[in-house]
Amino acid sequence: AQSVAQPEDQVNVAEGNPLTVKCTYSVSGNPYLFWYVQYPNRGLQFLLKYITGDNLVKGSYGFEAEFNKSQTSFHLKKPSALVSDSALYFCAVGGVSGGYNKLIFGAGTRLAVHP
Amino acid sequence: EPEVTQTPSHQVTQMGQEVILRCVPISNHLYFYWYRQILGQKVEFLVSFYNNEISEKSEIFDDQFSVERPDGSNFTLKIRSTKLEDSAMYFCASSRTSGRETQYFGPGTRLLVL
Repeated sequence: AQSVAQPEDQVNVAEGNPLTVKCTYSVSGNPYLFWYVQYPNRGLQFLLKYITGDNLVKGSYGFEAEFNKSQTSFHLKKPSALVSDSALYFCAVGGVSGGYNKLIFGAGTRLAVHP
Repeated sequence: EPEVTQTPSHQVTQMGQEVILRCVPISNHLYFYWYRQILGQKVEFLVSFYNNEISEKSEIFDDQFSVERPDGSNFTLKIRSTKLEDSAMYFCASSRTSGRETQYFGPGTRLLVL
């Protein structure tokens, strides 16, 4: 079965420290990879995506993610966390075989940045 | 910046009743989607819609569900006879094209079936 794994339910980081939110995937085909963020009582906001090309992609709010094909991973990173980054982060995969238009989501990782 | 909007934000209904959830996608987008998130679970794909037809649907999207684009701006999800297990947050999304294009999500409609 095609799936996306976010192995950590919660990540705790001190403000100013680097953060990493992990994502691995198991899908057929050549997927496209996305990160979304959800703030309380809000919808899913797009952060960044990998389609092709440079494995390091940069997105909104200083976030970046590194695509690693051999490890089938797409970890989200930020060099210096802010308290305002505290939210729920979702990794998603699109363009998979048997479902080109749909996104398959991970379970989400709650990021808590402490002052 | 253009946004996907959804109405209502919350809906409470009795089991067996019909509900219609409404969405206004971003105006120049051609693909439309519905997803749902049951409390504490993953966001799940329900259906995609293009050129007035369903292009993909999941196993969840059975005969109780239907989608429609009744005019040039709205995109609706109808649940004919709601069940308790339909209680969830329903997200609408749209994209310019399919596949590699970013899907932009609305704020969601929280549906509670009693």
